[in-house]
Amino acid sequence: GAGVSQSPSNKVTEKGKDVELRCDPISGHTALYWYRQSLGQGLEFLIYFQGNSAPDKSGLPSDRFSAERTGGSVSTLTIQRTQQEDSAVYLCASSLARGRSYGYTFGSGTRLTVV
Amino acid sequence: ILNVEQSPQSLHVQEGDSTNFTCSFPSSNFYALHWYRWETAKSPEALFVMTLNGDEKKKGRISATLNTKEGYSYLYIKGSQPEDSATYLCAFPYDYKLSFGAGTTVTVRA
Repeated sequence: GAGVSQSPSNKVTEKGKDVELRCDPISGHTALYWYRQSLGQGLEFLIYFQGNSAPDKSGLPSDRFSAERTGGSVSTLTIQRTQQEDSAVYLCASSLARGRSYGYTFGSGTRLTVV
Repeated sequence: ILNVEQSPQSLHVQEGDSTNFTCSFPSSNFYALHWYRWETAKSPEALFVMTLNGDEKKKGRISATLNTKEGYSYLYIKGSQPEDSATYLCAFPYDYKLSFGAGTTVTVRA
């Protein structure tokens, strides 16, 4: 597609429920990143995928968070047993390749509210 | 996670005025410095990727300079317009991912 697509755009869930957030990156972009922004905080790195390499999961805040990327394209971020502190805007981004000089193209994000 | 600092946190500018703000980053092991603009209800948009000391990039009325030896970058907005209202983020790469600053939120008053 023309840009990075994320769904849903908004999600309200009850505490303790599982949620899945989806990201469809730009075709041909081999690197895919997940970030989140909690209220009053900056962008926090969660996880990134590069091609067929093992993902860098160093930013995942707990083992309730997991992500996968199928076929080098679509990615799903799963949060199990959601907590109120998981409320945030979750942003997905892709870039042409892994590299420090490649800019990111961001999706419009998923606003997650845990009640 | 690297320490990337931006100042000020926010600023208000009268339409037509020019303004600038700062991003500070580690001066060692420099590879690149990214600038993004994030407008309300939109996704962050890449403005510049700067790689060379002394580099200056320009996009319309927005420009940025880079000093890798002292670890700072300035972003300038000339003749601010209401559509320039946004949060401007700088980001420093580490381990092939970006560490973002907290941003400078610019509000342009008509």
